[in-house]
Amino acid sequence: GAGVSQTPSNKVTEKGKYVELRCDPISGHTALYWYRQSLGQGPEFLIYFQGTGAADDSGLPNDRFFAVRPEGSVSTLKIQRTERGDSAVYLCASSLLWGPDNEQFFGPGTRLTVL
Amino acid sequence: GENVEQHPSTLSVQEGDSAVIKCTYSDSASNYFPWYKQELGKGPQLIIDIRSNVGEKKDQRIAVTLNKTAKHFSLHITETQPEDSAVYFCAAGNYGQNFVFGPGTRLSVLP
Repeated sequence: GAGVSQTPSNKVTEKGKYVELRCDPISGHTALYWYRQSLGQGPEFLIYFQGTGAADDSGLPNDRFFAVRPEGSVSTLKIQRTERGDSAVYLCASSLLWGPDNEQFFGPGTRLTVL
Repeated sequence: GENVEQHPSTLSVQEGDSAVIKCTYSDSASNYFPWYKQELGKGPQLIIDIRSNVGEKKDQRIAVTLNKTAKHFSLHITETQPEDSAVYFCAAGNYGQNFVFGPGTRLSVLP
C-alpha cells in the first residue's frame, strides 16, 4: 500500500513569506507526527496529533509555526514570516496508534529553503 | 528532558566487516529504543528496536544491546554490505513523551 507522502518535495521561499507543507499519512493511522531535520542532525520533534487534536505541540519553536489536521487524516504544517533559520527538511510520520513502541513510518520530507 | 548522544558521527568499514554504533541517553524513565536507517533523500526507516525489559535483540545481521544501568545501547551490524551505507539514528522514548533522536552516524561500507 501507499506510504506517507509529503508535498511539495522542495520549497524555496523568501524571508518573511508564508508556507504550507502537506502530509498524507498511511490510511487508518491515527497518530501523525511532524519533525524538523537540520543538516547533519537527527529529526527533532515538533508536534503530534492523535486524531484531529494536537496532543503535544511542545516541540514547536515559536508561534510562527502551526499545524492542523482537521479531519484526522491529512495534516498541514504552516509557517508564518519565514526566517532563514527555518531552512531544514520537514519530516512527517504516522503510526497506527500513539505510543513510542508503535512503529512510526516516515515520509520522504519537504526540503524548505528560505532565502 | 531526554538527551541522546551517539558515536561515532562517521564510520567507514570494509565490506564484510562489522560495524558498531553506540548511544547514551539521560532519562532513566525511557523504556523504548528504536534504530532508524536513513538513505539519501528518504525518510528514516525503522530497522530494529528494543524494549527495556530485554538486554539484547537480533534480526539476521543486525543486533541491538541495551544496558539500562549504564543508560547506553548499541547497534551491531555484521557482514556489512554496500547497501548498508546510510545514516543511522538511535532514539529513546517512553509513554508520556515522544522520541528524542540522536544526531546520527554516517556509515560507509567500502567495497
